[in-house]
Amino acid sequence: NAGVTQTPKFRVLKTGQSMTLLCAQDMNHEYMYWYRQDPGMGLRLIHYSVGEGTTAKGEVPDGYNVSRLKKQNFLLGLESAAPSQTSVYFCASTGDADTQYFGPGTRLTVL
Amino acid sequence: AQSVTQPDIHITVSEGASLELRCNYSYGATPYLFWYVQSPGQGLQLLLKYFSGDTLVQGIKGFEAEFKRSQSSFNLRKPSVHWSDAAEYFCAVGPYGGATNKLIFGTGTLLAVQP
Repeated sequence: NAGVTQTPKFRVLKTGQSMTLLCAQDMNHEYMYWYRQDPGMGLRLIHYSVGEGTTAKGEVPDGYNVSRLKKQNFLLGLESAAPSQTSVYFCASTGDADTQYFGPGTRLTVL
Repeated sequence: AQSVTQPDIHITVSEGASLELRCNYSYGATPYLFWYVQSPGQGLQLLLKYFSGDTLVQGIKGFEAEFKRSQSSFNLRKPSVHWSDAAEYFCAVGPYGGATNKLIFGTGTLLAVQP
């Protein structure tokens, strides 16, 4: 039981490049979330999903897209990366009205 | 507006001393309250949570938190801090039984422990 895993752990992009972050969970959780963490701002919700095939916008969705084609996976895409998207990205999942389990994070730098 | 405030950005305590981290929330519905800890380079780990019942809740690693509805607070405490407690601590609030389970996080308190 690996819990929540994230791929990759680190990435450096140039402005305008695209990439996809992968989150996978093996706990059969319905809900999944993508957050970004910036110094002094805590965690802010980007997008979330309440089940396979569904996604919704969070607090800071601009510049990101997501997909949940399989229950266990939640992908976060950056179509045209900007320096403002330099951040640490965390994925989380939860089964019900309870604890969110977090992945180890992806550190992204956009030059 | 829904929000979580952690007024202390950075706290330094001596090893063996007691600790209290403050958390205040503003939330329209019945809140579900959490404390998470993040060690450097790691993800967030749940310390404890509260929805109902006894307002003093016990968590892992010897931490406890007290819910005070009249003060809209959920402060985290530990009677004797260990060097390994140095980390960043986040308070969060969410809707119990809500359809989305979205959490609102505070900005965090960074704890340093002096020998």
